[in-house]
Amino acid sequence: EAQVTQNPRYLITVTGKKLTVTCSQNMNHEYMSWYRQDPGLGLRQIYYSMNVEVTDKGDVPEGYKVSRKEKRNFPLILESPSPNQTSLYFCASSHKGQPSYEQYFGPGTRLTVT
Amino acid sequence: QKEVEQNSGPLSVPEGAIASLNCTYSDRGSQSFFWYRQYSGKSPELIMFIYSNGDKEDGRFTAQLNKASQYVSLLIRDSQPSDSATYLCAVRNNAGNMLTFGGGTRLMVKP
Repeated sequence: EAQVTQNPRYLITVTGKKLTVTCSQNMNHEYMSWYRQDPGLGLRQIYYSMNVEVTDKGDVPEGYKVSRKEKRNFPLILESPSPNQTSLYFCASSHKGQPSYEQYFGPGTRLTVT
Repeated sequence: QKEVEQNSGPLSVPEGAIASLNCTYSDRGSQSFFWYRQYSGKSPELIMFIYSNGDKEDGRFTAQLNKASQYVSLLIRDSQPSDSATYLCAVRNNAGNMLTFGGGTRLMVKP
């Protein structure tokens, strides 16, 4: 089954404790992206990757890091989480060549930073 | 000014009516436009995309694009209670590397 998986689905942590949210896709997609979703603000892009070893900042990259060492994986790293990073996070992937550029979203990770 | 604007709603329509959802965008160079549906607690799913001026129909859904007015809309005919969700408008930039979402419009279809 074609899918994007994220782990963990739910996470409660404390300020300053480094964490990683994993994202993996099995569709051989070149493009992968991370979004955060907050009430009233919609989805905002954090980082994206056009291919292996190619990453770039989105609209809200502060406080986040990413890496793309393999095509299927695109982890999101919070080196020192703060309460304003409490949010719902989505990973997405798409096949860059398709005209629709349809993005397939993962199930989401709800992060709470206390 | 937000780059992609939507009325947050809720938009309430009776079952069987036409629901009209609107979206405006600021980047005149944008080429591709998407409508996603998101049920509460779930991830967004693509309903339609459009990149040419005019109308595009798919079943009960019609997307309309007017690049001169920088306006995209989604019409849902014969609305059903199962259509109750938040609808997200998204715009891809000219370079094709970023997707900007509006804040979403919550639609409620009442039986």
